[in-house]
Amino acid sequence: GQNIDQPTEMTATEGAIVQINCTYQTSGFNGLFWYQQHAGEAPTFLSYNVLDGLEEKGRFSSFLSRSKGYSYLLLKELQMKDSASYLCAVDNTDKLIFGTGTRLQVFP
Amino acid sequence: DADVTQTPRNRITKTGKRIMLECSQTKGHDRMYWYRQDPGLGLRLIYYSFDVKDINKGEISDGYSVSRQAQAKFSLSLESAIPNQTALYFCATSGPGTREDTQYFGPGTRLTVL
Repeated sequence: GQNIDQPTEMTATEGAIVQINCTYQTSGFNGLFWYQQHAGEAPTFLSYNVLDGLEEKGRFSSFLSRSKGYSYLLLKELQMKDSASYLCAVDNTDKLIFGTGTRLQVFP
Repeated sequence: DADVTQTPRNRITKTGKRIMLECSQTKGHDRMYWYRQDPGLGLRLIYYSFDVKDINKGEISDGYSVSRQAQAKFSLSLESAIPNQTALYFCATSGPGTREDTQYFGPGTRLTVL
């Protein structure tokens, strides 16, 4: 079967660093996406990993280990506007399989 | 103008009614998708289409049907709506030229079935 696990909720303080983990077991794997979704809005693309290692993009970085079926999204210098849900999604050949998302709350 | 649009944005309907949700895109993408999102369940794929003549069932297609009228248009129908179809529905597109087939989402349609 297809299984993607993320923590349901996380909290952090403005200015801090937070790491959101994602583990997956899927029948196919072409890459892994991270999306950000503010409440009631559409998901927006954050990052994509297809090879093992770290991809850095400004305050956001994403890591992938294919052998371990593991990825994380690292958010640095947290801002209040980073309060949102973060969705991990596996590119399973023809379509994306989404995790249930991690709701991040950033406090002052 | 938005690249992926959905109409209506909000809809309240009654059990048993037929309803159609529409999606249009100006990105020139071949691939289009319909998802529903429920609290605690994440995004689940209903149907997807890789071109006008290609329609594929997703994870939760029962109770839904789709029509790909043109490259730019992909409609989702609920033939006889039921309350557990109350959800937030998203259309998405992807295609050649997008980075690693990134999917671009429309703004969503909030559907309530009474």
